[in-house]
Amino acid sequence: DTAVSQTPKYLVTQMGNDKSIKCEQNLGHDTMYWYKQDSKKFLKIMFSYNNKELIINETVPNRFSPKSPDKAHLNLHINSLELGDSAVYFCASSQFRGRTNTGELFFGEGSRLTVL
Amino acid sequence: AQKITQTQPGMFVQEKEAVTLDCTYDTSDQSYGLFWYKQPSSGEMIFLIYQGSYDEQNATEGRYSLNFQKARKSTNLVISASQLGDSAMYFCAMREGLNFNKFYFGSGTKLNVKP
Repeated sequence: DTAVSQTPKYLVTQMGNDKSIKCEQNLGHDTMYWYKQDSKKFLKIMFSYNNKELIINETVPNRFSPKSPDKAHLNLHINSLELGDSAVYFCASSQFRGRTNTGELFFGEGSRLTVL
Repeated sequence: AQKITQTQPGMFVQEKEAVTLDCTYDTSDQSYGLFWYKQPSSGEMIFLIYQGSYDEQNATEGRYSLNFQKARKSTNLVISASQLGDSAMYFCAMREGLNFNKFYFGSGTKLNVKP
């Protein structure tokens, strides 16, 4: 069973199109994230939801809109795609319980978006 | 200021030797967590090891261990007996106490293990 799964794994599209990436976790975690990894491998947090509530919203263009229908799902919709949006997008989840656990991030496999 | 700094963009190590990957962090919190992740060329992010700010012992997980120096704010990853499969990007990350949900990542170190 995949703990954090995201679809699609690969996405190739034209500039100006709208696309969505879906993410689901079966770990029972309260917190989910979207990270963007650029061509230099730098990981940048975009959004985080805790129990369906947006708690982290970094400086991300308005064209990116996350949606969390329930705490097991966090989707990412991107409008009017631009060349600079080409990257790998990682979904992740975590559950921190104080000193009783490590609360590490569990990552999905990543979705490689290529904008032509 | 950078929260996590990894100063080694690339490292080479001979198979079967040990290698140390450096990581320094910046926080004023008393409570925080430090993590290392491995990203092989296949792209997935693999959690390796964790050190809590209150842990007095250096963390160890198999061939991975941390050299945690709290006063210096450094948490270097030591990989013993390197294997060819250790060739990958390695990321250091921190979760700060004030916001348990926010993780900061370093820029990564690309490790190449030579046969």
